[in-house]
Amino acid sequence: EVQVVESGGGLVQPGRSLRLSCAASGFTFDDSAMHWVRQAPGKGLEWVSGISWNSGHIDYVDSVKGRFTISRDNARNSLYLQMNSLRPEDTALYYCAKGAWQYLANDAFDVWGQGTMVTVSS
Amino acid sequence: QSVLTQPPSVSGTPGQTVTISCSGSSSNIGSNNVNWYQQLPGTAPKLLIYGNSQRPSGVPDRFSGSNSGTSASLAISGLQSEDEADYSCAAWDDSLNGYVFGTGTKVTVL
Repeated sequence: EVQVVESGGGLVQPGRSLRLSCAASGFTFDDSAMHWVRQAPGKGLEWVSGISWNSGHIDYVDSVKGRFTISRDNARNSLYLQMNSLRPEDTALYYCAKGAWQYLANDAFDVWGQGTMVTVSS
Repeated sequence: QSVLTQPPSVSGTPGQTVTISCSGSSSNIGSNNVNWYQQLPGTAPKLLIYGNSQRPSGVPDRFSGSNSGTSASLAISGLQSEDEADYSCAAWDDSLNGYVFGTGTKVTVL
């Protein structure tokens, strides 16, 4: 079964850090770009970051640039999101999503995890 | 940042056809593929349409996508109660170098 499973969410104070992980299985991980998409409570979807199959192309939404870092370990079939200097507005359910292609642009998110909740509050 | 505009809600009776619009610009819909996602209550999103009009395996042909210029549309024909969900469009934006999602549309089956 093709699946991705997120972990690492939790309650954290503003300004602190958190690292999210995404474990992939059932598909050839290094054949796919991977993405993080978040959804604040009661709000719509927001793409956060994406990484191409070989980590050669990485992009972020403007609001997290300089604070978040996406990475992947193809040997471990894993995707990560290091989140520093967290803000209350980062509070959301963070989804890991598999890309249908190898590269970032014009990709489609064809497999989604169930998400991991990040709450930033004092 | 939602730069793709969708109506907040649409509704229809079983068997009807409803259409959801997605309005963007030349840097996103006007030059890149549009994908559509369905999110049933309390669940993760699911890819419904990719590449403007292609359906992944398992998606009923009641769902169809199209686009013209800087706008895209999702049509649901033969509306069923299980189609009650939130629907979002998405596209790569060449100016932002990232993906943008639509504001989301809630479909209600009356």
